[in-house]
Amino acid sequence: GENVEQHPSTLSVQEGDSAVIKCTYSDSASNYFPWYKQELGKGPQLIIDIRSNVGEKKDQRIAVTLNKTAKHFSLHITETQPEDSAVYFCAATPRYGGATNKLIFGTGTLLAVQP
Amino acid sequence: DAGVTQSPTHLIKTRGQQVTLRCSPKSGHDTVSWYQQALGQGPQFIFQYYEEEERQRGNFPDRFSGHQFPNYSSELNVNALLLGDSALYLCASSPWTPKHSSGYEQYFGPGTRLTVT
Repeated sequence: GENVEQHPSTLSVQEGDSAVIKCTYSDSASNYFPWYKQELGKGPQLIIDIRSNVGEKKDQRIAVTLNKTAKHFSLHITETQPEDSAVYFCAATPRYGGATNKLIFGTGTLLAVQP
Repeated sequence: DAGVTQSPTHLIKTRGQQVTLRCSPKSGHDTVSWYQQALGQGPQFIFQYYEEEERQRGNFPDRFSGHQFPNYSSELNVNALLLGDSALYLCASSPWTPKHSSGYEQYFGPGTRLTVT
């Protein structure tokens, strides 16, 4: 079945350090991999995404890498700041024609950036 | 440009009752998906609506039903509430067909916190 595993469940880093969160998906037909940031009391916010025809994507301090062979994808945050503290979710979506598909979420990573 | 909006923000219901949650999608989006997020968990897909029809459904019982209106807004209905239905209910909107290679993005609303006692 469709499954996304996410590690670690909690991550504490010092301000300015890098943070890496890793996910593994089970459905080899998955073709879209977004990352969401969820702050307390709010809905998930899309921060970056990657498609199966791309190996890496970067947006300022955030980057995502995808290894289709191993069915792994990772989120990298450099120069972390206290405002990066939140729960981060990875997700995968299996192919569904050309239409927007459901998201299968990981279990989340609580990132704490210590000042 | 307003993002995805949901109402109400919080709701307290008694076991056995029925509840209706509402969602207005982001401007320009025609597809609405609903997710349930239990405390400490990732969101779980309930169902998706496009052109006023349910297009995909997750592993949720028939007690969960929905509707989409001609203006693309949507409702989630839950009948015969159970204690286990207590969760944050999230609505996400997206375009059905990606217009560019950057399509498929789903944008979430703030959610409705449902507590069943």
